[in-house]
Amino acid sequence: SYVLTQAPSVSVAPGQTARITCGGYNIRTKSVHWYQQKPGQAPVLVVYDDSDRPSGIPERFSGSNSGNTATLTISRVGAGDEADYYCQVWDTISNHVIFGGGTKLTVL
Amino acid sequence: QVQLVESGGGVVLPGRSLGLSCGTSGFIFSDYAIHWVRQAPGKGLEWVAFISYDGSNEYYADSVRGRFTVSRDNSKNTVYLQMISLRAEDTAVYYCARDYGGDSGRFDSWGQGALVTVSS
Repeated sequence: SYVLTQAPSVSVAPGQTARITCGGYNIRTKSVHWYQQKPGQAPVLVVYDDSDRPSGIPERFSGSNSGNTATLTISRVGAGDEADYYCQVWDTISNHVIFGGGTKLTVL
Repeated sequence: QVQLVESGGGVVLPGRSLGLSCGTSGFIFSDYAIHWVRQAPGKGLEWVAFISYDGSNEYYADSVRGRFTVSRDNSKNTVYLQMISLRAEDTAVYYCARDYGGDSGRFDSWGQGALVTVSS
């Protein structure tokens, strides 16, 4: 079955740019969605279809998808961005939803 | 606004059954597919099941197929997850989430979650 791979953790200084990657075979052919989850809360969609943002999500959140890697980029990171981030795709072959293992973003 | 509210969680013995409900409001329920997603303590998100807008299609994760059944009642704006033969590894917070629609399979609204603990 299809597998999405994320680094367990990423650290970044306040005001800098965080890049969280999601690896998958030929992922460029799939629509990738990204969720932010803070402790004790339900996930929130922050980027969908590789690079679109839902209403209410700051422009600091952006996404890209090429080759075997999709990337969530968070610019001007602040303490409020500390959270777990998950990538997700719909595998149309198996009709399964696939999540990456999640990346914990720490703001130093 | 769009709301999904899970209920029915609790503590259950291994091998026993439990049912969850996901009540919804703020949107035309019969237009949307719904998913169940779970998260074991300290772990990542795991997709569990999908039911199409009219209930005609159901898909399940391999880990729950044959033990879990998803259903819906469009007259009550509610989705259900019936779980049998529960195992310790089914212990998790269970979320229902709305599928935005189309082919991309994104979840645009989530419930707050219901905790299921399988323990003797």
